[in-house]
Amino acid sequence: SAVISQKPSRDICQRGTSLTIQCQVDSQVTMMFWYRQQPGQSLTLIATANQGSEATYESGFVIDKFPISRPNLTFSTLTVSNMSPEDSSIYLCSAGASGGKGYTFGSGTRLTVV
Amino acid sequence: DQQVKQNSPSLSVQEGRISILNCDYTNSMFDYFLWYKKYPAEGPTFLISISSIKDKNEDGRFTVFLNKSAKHLSLHIVPSQPGDSAVYFCAASLQGAQKLVFGQGTRLTINP
Repeated sequence: SAVISQKPSRDICQRGTSLTIQCQVDSQVTMMFWYRQQPGQSLTLIATANQGSEATYESGFVIDKFPISRPNLTFSTLTVSNMSPEDSSIYLCSAGASGGKGYTFGSGTRLTVV
Repeated sequence: DQQVKQNSPSLSVQEGRISILNCDYTNSMFDYFLWYKKYPAEGPTFLISISSIKDKNEDGRFTVFLNKSAKHLSLHIVPSQPGDSAVYFCAASLQGAQKLVFGQGTRLTINP
């Protein structure tokens, strides 16, 4: 399975600012995803990061708020823009070559917006 | 619309006994189901999966059962060990869709 390095592991940010989270995979992978886990909630898929093209966003998530880049098969970033306290969550990167079973998760970024 | 539901937020089991974690789903088109385990400050790790063409899959102490007519799956851990204490997520996917839909998670605590 792929090994994922996700940075930063945590951050405290002022409202109105933006934070970019990085996800580095140790091997080329077909699929990369970004999830959000709000307190006491399940993992909610934000978007699928597509290499060389625009990400595919799930209902309720938009590119202006969560711009995503994926310049190659091993790296992706998620930006949380114009943050408010409601954006306080754990954000997780996931990657793999096939459906579900092969997906690895990063250790997550715990974001607190004050 | 919560398509995958884990109705028990927590479960406490004595060491050596069986742990049973439950999961229900609403979308009959799901055809692949997985269980992930998550320790604090770590990402979820894959535990076991089952295809909709099967009703049981076993891997060591872990067995997943699928009841398609009831849209229900369960994870059995026998015997339970203290290291099994974690949050367990069930997830489902559609073949070809690649993405996973997760339940809310169940926090399992194994007591010595």
